[in-house]
Amino acid sequence: AQRVTQPEKLLSVFKGAPVELKCNYSYSGSPELFWYVQYSRQRLQLLLRHISRESIKGFTADLNKGETSFHLKKPFAQEEDSAMYYCALRDKAAGNKLTFGGGTRVLVKP
Amino acid sequence: ETGVTQSPTHLIKTRGQQVTLRCSSQSGHNTVSWYQQALGQGPQFIFQYYREEENGRGNFPPRFSGLQFPNYSSELNVNALELDDSALYLCASREGGKEPYNEQFFGPGTRLTVL
Repeated sequence: AQRVTQPEKLLSVFKGAPVELKCNYSYSGSPELFWYVQYSRQRLQLLLRHISRESIKGFTADLNKGETSFHLKKPFAQEEDSAMYYCALRDKAAGNKLTFGGGTRVLVKP
Repeated sequence: ETGVTQSPTHLIKTRGQQVTLRCSSQSGHNTVSWYQQALGQGPQFIFQYYREEENGRGNFPPRFSGLQFPNYSSELNVNALELDDSALYLCASREGGKEPYNEQFFGPGTRLTVL
């Protein structure tokens, strides 16, 4: 069965420091991975998806099939990056359901 | 264009009762998914409806059931409520039925407390 693991519950960094959120997955097929973000008092929203291969708000994520990882990175964290981040995997064989990781809370200190 | 809306915002029920949660999908979206998010955890997929038919289900018992209406709005029904059903219930909609996979848009959620 597919599984998404985010090993860090909380990441605390200073403004301007790099931040990396880890995501590992298990899936038997060809994976499609996403990062979702939830800012305080806002709804869950898509941050980026691996097939787009784009940078959103300075964040990038590379799919590494060998290590079954999809880590999210930003070289210089900003205070407005403080939020909950969820990694998710699309299961094409099961109605395109999304399997989410447990989430990582990022706190960027001034 | 309006986003995904859910009602009610909060709900308190007692064990054994039944509850119905409602979701209005975003304009143009024919696919609705429901998720349960327990405190401190990520969302867990309950089921999905595409054009009024359930076409995907997670590991939830049959007392979790749903409907999708011709206007693509949806309901989630939970019978015989248990304490562990206390959670935030999220609805998400997207335009389904074709590739590439279109983005899901989430509603604000309904907070259910079971006493």
